[in-house]
Order: sequence, then C-alpha cells, then structure tokens
Amino acid sequence: LAKTTQPISMDSYEGQEVNITCSHNNIATNDYITWYQQFPSQGPRFIIQGYKTKVTNEVASLFIPADRKSSTLSLPRVSLSDTAVYYCLVGDPGAGSYQLTFGKGTKLSVIP
Amino acid sequence: EAGVAQSPRYKIIEKRQSVAFWCNPISGHATLYWYQQILGQGPKLLIQFQNNGVVDDSQLPKDRFSAERLKGVDSTLKIQPAKLEDSAVYLCASSFPTAGGKGVYEQYFGPGTRLTVT
Repeated sequence: LAKTTQPISMDSYEGQEVNITCSHNNIATNDYITWYQQFPSQGPRFIIQGYKTKVTNEVASLFIPADRKSSTLSLPRVSLSDTAVYYCLVGDPGAGSYQLTFGKGTKLSVIP
Repeated sequence: EAGVAQSPRYKIIEKRQSVAFWCNPISGHATLYWYQQILGQGPKLLIQFQNNGVVDDSQLPKDRFSAERLKGVDSTLKIQPAKLEDSAVYLCASSFPTAGGKGVYEQYFGPGTRLTVT
C-alpha cells in the first residue's frame, strides 16, 4: 500500500480557503486518492475521491497533478465546524480487498 | 438511510477481563471492517469481512482478539483477556464491494466504542 505524507497540523481563519497537500510518491497505477474527515468522538467521514486531474463536490475540491505523486484537498471558505482531522489515503478499490491505511492525518484548526 | 450502528458506545473494564463489541452495518453492504484507533493516531484495520468470510485479518492479535460475522450481516469483535494497551476506540465500517451510486468507493463508519482498560 502506498505511503502518504501530510502536514501534522494547520491553522486557518474563518472564511479562508484551506489547501492540504498530501504526498504519495509510490502511488500505483490502479490506486485512487481519497480524503476522510474525522471530528472528535466520531468515525471518519468520506469527503472526496479522485484518480486524476480535478474532482469537485459540494464540500471540497481535489487536485491531482499529472504524475499523481501528490494531491491537494481544497476546502473553500472554512468555518469553525471544519475543525477536524483530515486523512489522505491511497488504495486500489478493485483489488478485491480494498483497504484504507490511515496515517496520523492533518489536524485543521479554524480560528474565529 | 440508517448509518452503521455500534454498541456499546463506552466500556470500562479491568485488565484480564473480556469484552465484546457489536456492529450492524448499513443494509446491503457486503464488506465490513473493524478498526482500532488509539488516541492521537489514525484508525488501524484489524479485520475485513466480505459477507461472512474473512478477507484480511493480518493485523488482528489473534491470541486475544476474535471476530465473527454470522449470516453476513451483524458482526461482533471480542477481546479476551484485555490488556492496558487495548484502550482505544473500536470503529466498525461497511461498504459496497464495488463503487456505489456516486461512482466512488466509500467506507461508512459507525460512531465507535471507546474502551478503557484499567
């Protein structure tokens, strides 16, 4: 499974755009990149998933360069409720035993 | 749509006692996972089921942990005997074996059971 590296923590003011970058140098051809969000005392929650270029949904955007060795999660205009830990994961969903290997994640603190 | 249900939410036991956790996945999800999350770390996969068969249990400490998924629906995770280092949150997750309706491969997590071993 590809290893990921992301910042341990980030601070941001309310209303700003936050970009969290994840490095995954040994990503495999069939791997997808997925981001999860976790609030205290809750299980992780799926945010977004992509394979290449750009993916956007109602809560975030995911930017993946052509070499796929990194990815950036973009959260537009964060609010206090976005304070959470964000995990970047890579894996092959078609492998028959699709698994998620979580690192320590990035703890995002949104400041009023 | 009902989410993944887990019980109990909290459990405090003494070391060497036994404990069991229960999980009810989202209806129709064939794949079920148990994770252990120690404070300050990301979740670690313990075991993965596909229907009622084990897909991967390579990180399950089999001398003290066991899990089953009878009839391919509910699952239980047991620890016997518990050690101090088993204090953690135990998360259950479920998913379709393939991409869901939105075309993504998504795991749905329950709220977890917080275990404290004293």
